[in-house]
Amino acid sequence: AQKITQTQPGMFVQEKEAVTLDCTYDTSDPSYGLFWYKQPSSGEMIFLIYQGSYDQQNATEGRYSLNFQKARKSANLVISASQLGDSAMYFCAMRELWYSSASKIIFGSGTRLSIRP
Amino acid sequence: EPEVTQTPSHQVTQMGQEVILRCVPISNHLYFYWYRQILGQKVEFLVSFYNNEISEKSEIFDDQFSVERPDGSNFTLKIRSTKLEDSAMYFCASSEAKRDKVNTQYFGPGTRLTVL
Repeated sequence: AQKITQTQPGMFVQEKEAVTLDCTYDTSDPSYGLFWYKQPSSGEMIFLIYQGSYDQQNATEGRYSLNFQKARKSANLVISASQLGDSAMYFCAMRELWYSSASKIIFGSGTRLSIRP
Repeated sequence: EPEVTQTPSHQVTQMGQEVILRCVPISNHLYFYWYRQILGQKVEFLVSFYNNEISEKSEIFDDQFSVERPDGSNFTLKIRSTKLEDSAMYFCASSEAKRDKVNTQYFGPGTRLTVL
C-alpha cells in the first residue's frame, strides 16, 4: 500500500536561509509521481512541484527544488532563500500510476514552516 | 491563469440536513476529484470522476455521498444527511487527461463545512 511520511510537524527558519522539508514514501508500484503542495493559513492548496519516478533529474521550479533519492524512497523539498511568505503548511503527496489522471493523490501529514524575520 | 473555483467558501448546517458543495473545474480538464481535510489532519481522497461516472472512491465515500456534473461546467458533491464528523474543509480538484504528461491535480480554495 502506498504511504507518505513527513516526520517534521513544525520547523522554524530564519528569513533568507535555505530549508529542507523531509518526505519519505512507500510504494510497490514502479510508476508514480511525487508532489509538493503549499497550504497557507487561508486554506487553499497550491501546487508547487512534481517529480516522476522515471525522471532522471531532480525537478526545479524557481526557488523550489525536489531532492529525489529513489533508492532511499525520499523526496525532500528544498526552498532556497526563504521569504516571509513561505510560512505555511507543506504537504508531500504521491500518486501511483502517475500517467493515469484518474488515480488519487495520497498526502502526508504535513510540515508547518514558519519563517522568522 | 485558469483556476478551480468553489462555492460557498463556508457552509454551516444542522446535523441531518443535506448539503451541496459546488465546484467549477478548469475548463479544459476532464478529471475531477473531491478531497476533504478535517481540521488539523491530513488531506483525504474521497472520489474521482471521469466521463460522467465515478472512477474511484474511498471508504469514506459511502451512500451518504454522491457526485454529479449537472452541466458542462459544474461539479457537485452532495451529502444527504450530514453528521457532526462531516465537518471539514472540502477541496475540489481537476486535471487534464493527457497520457504523455503527469497531469497535475489543481485544487480549488475549499469549502469549509461546519455541521452543528
